[in-house]
Amino acid sequence: DVKVTQSSRYLVKRTGEKVFLECVQDMDHENMFWYRQDPGLGLRLIYFSYDVKMKEKGDIPEGYSVSREKKERFSLILESASTNQTSMYLCASSLPGRNYGYTFGSGTRLTVV
Amino acid sequence: DAKTTQPNSMESNEEEPVHLPCNHSTISGTDYIHWYRQLPSQGPEYVIHGLTSNVNNRMASLAIAEDRKSSTLILHRATLRDAAVYYCILMLLGTSYGKLTFGQGTILTVHP
Repeated sequence: DVKVTQSSRYLVKRTGEKVFLECVQDMDHENMFWYRQDPGLGLRLIYFSYDVKMKEKGDIPEGYSVSREKKERFSLILESASTNQTSMYLCASSLPGRNYGYTFGSGTRLTVV
Repeated sequence: DAKTTQPNSMESNEEEPVHLPCNHSTISGTDYIHWYRQLPSQGPEYVIHGLTSNVNNRMASLAIAEDRKSSTLILHRATLRDAAVYYCILMLLGTSYGKLTFGQGTILTVHP
């Protein structure tokens, strides 16, 4: 069964900490995405990557950075976590183009205290 | 950005068909129509997508209007496990990396 695996299901971090959220896919997909989901705001795209070492800002990139050193792995980095970054974070991957579906991970619920 | 409009919520009974509508009146000729669903406490799950013709897979059917300004996701026999939020999304020309933009979706409740 093809998969997108997020390293943690639940995470609690302190304000100001540097936080790494890891995502690994086993489908050899070129595209990878990071979203956050908040009640009333839906899913919002933070960053995406269309190839190794390539990245593009999504709709809400402020306060985040990403790293893609290998095709199968896409990391989301919170340089200095803040309480307004408490959210559900979802990783996804897909083949390139508009004729393919996305595969999502199960999500990481991050709480910043 | 081309937008989609879906009802906030719908209800169905188990083992009955469900028709989930989506309006996308500003769709352009090359925009793909995608459907995803999200079960409680899980990430979204791909359901189906299409361009012009109706599509069927093991999960659902997608009926696309001839003018493409609306589409309907059809679950042929709803089960309790189909209770989820269903998202209708347009994947637009120009988004060469296939970026999806999620709206609020339709909350489907299935009654036993």
